[in-house]
Amino acid sequence: DAGVIQSPRHEVTEMGQEVTLRCKPISGHDYLFWYRQTMMRGLELLIYFNNNVPIDDSGMPEDRFSAKMPNASFSTLKIQPSEPRDSAVYFCASSSVVGLNNEQFFGPGTRLTVL
Amino acid sequence: DQQVKQNSPSLSVQEGRISILNCDYTNSMFDYFLWYKKYPAEGPTFLISISSIKDKNEDGRFTVFLNKSAKHLSLHIVPSQPGDSAVYFCAATPDSSYKLIFGSGTRLLVRP
Repeated sequence: DAGVIQSPRHEVTEMGQEVTLRCKPISGHDYLFWYRQTMMRGLELLIYFNNNVPIDDSGMPEDRFSAKMPNASFSTLKIQPSEPRDSAVYFCASSSVVGLNNEQFFGPGTRLTVL
Repeated sequence: DQQVKQNSPSLSVQEGRISILNCDYTNSMFDYFLWYKKYPAEGPTFLISISSIKDKNEDGRFTVFLNKSAKHLSLHIVPSQPGDSAVYFCAATPDSSYKLIFGSGTRLLVRP
């Protein structure tokens, strides 16, 4: 299995631009999570989906952030407009309801830099 | 308010010795605890977990201890190896949900 795939791995953009991060979960996993890692706040959950339906988006920082999961094999996290304080590493993770240990499998992350 | 706290940002240990990483939590509704390991430029990877109905779980060189009364858990690595050098995150889930709440991480350095 290829694991969780994220693209791009690095993104540099200018303030005000739209940014779209992409994620392909592990096949057969029915939960998908988006996390953000910053020096100040550590690793924090933004939103998670179950069977393509958003379950908890209480971690989404503001309306500039949106996430979608149009099908079981693809999700996007969009920031519009982007701001310098959005600079962080964004991780996508997936898990299975029948998996052991509540284990979530993380992708390699997308490092976002907003200038 | 940090519900999961890792108060030691870093730890340095000699190869072959024991590494002990600590984690405290505040929410008594947490019922499942996990440790993740993270190397630079990679995503976190699952290491070991423990349910709140247990006080110890062991997997090879890794053992997690849970003290519910103190709301404290620890990860023991014996013997420590240079390849264990990474950032270790403690995480907890409330109410058997799939929502992980992470600590800030402890950077472990195992010196050869």
